[in-house]
Amino acid sequence: KAGVTQTPRYLIKTRGQQVTLSCSPISGHRSVSWYQQTPGQGLQFLFEYFSETQRNKGNFPGRFSGRQFSNSRSEMNVSTLELGDSALYLCASSLADLNSPLHFGNGTRLTVT
Amino acid sequence: EDQVTQSPEALRLQEGESSSLNCSYTVSGLRGLFWYRQDPGKGPEFLFTLYSAGEEKEKERLKATLTKKESFLHITAPKPEDSATYLCAAFSGYSTLTFGKGTMLLVSP
Repeated sequence: KAGVTQTPRYLIKTRGQQVTLSCSPISGHRSVSWYQQTPGQGLQFLFEYFSETQRNKGNFPGRFSGRQFSNSRSEMNVSTLELGDSALYLCASSLADLNSPLHFGNGTRLTVT
Repeated sequence: EDQVTQSPEALRLQEGESSSLNCSYTVSGLRGLFWYRQDPGKGPEFLFTLYSAGEEKEKERLKATLTKKESFLHITAPKPEDSATYLCAAFSGYSTLTFGKGTMLLVSP
């Protein structure tokens, strides 16, 4: 069974630009979550989608947004990039019942210069 | 505010030297706790789910336990390939996890 696939693996952007990251969940998984990982803050929850609807959102500014498509694939977008947005962005999928573990992709490493 | 604290931040062991990692949590409406392993340049890999105090799960050299306030990951006779960052995460709702900052484990041959 294929795992969670994230593209691209690496991105370098300039301050003020915007970026779109993509995530393909494990087949059959309908919930997709996004997390930001930095050395200082660790993993922080961005948002979660289920059946194309955002079900939960973390404490991030509105510059961070996402969406989910009918095939459960998801994208997240960051607009007006800041230096502090440099991080590893991780996507995770799950079966979406309350106690299902999350299965993570290998992330997209975003560097903002 | 939900909080998960892991200790120590880093741990260096000799091959075969057993030890434990700690994860303490303050989470309202806790439904359970996950343990993950993360290797450099990769995403976290799921290890265990613990749902209730007193529960234990084992996998090879790893055993996870849960009390009402903390969880332990016991590593018995570790090998160099066990070197990784170990993360615990508390969950209280759909796919919303509160992660600790992890324990970086280095096992020397």
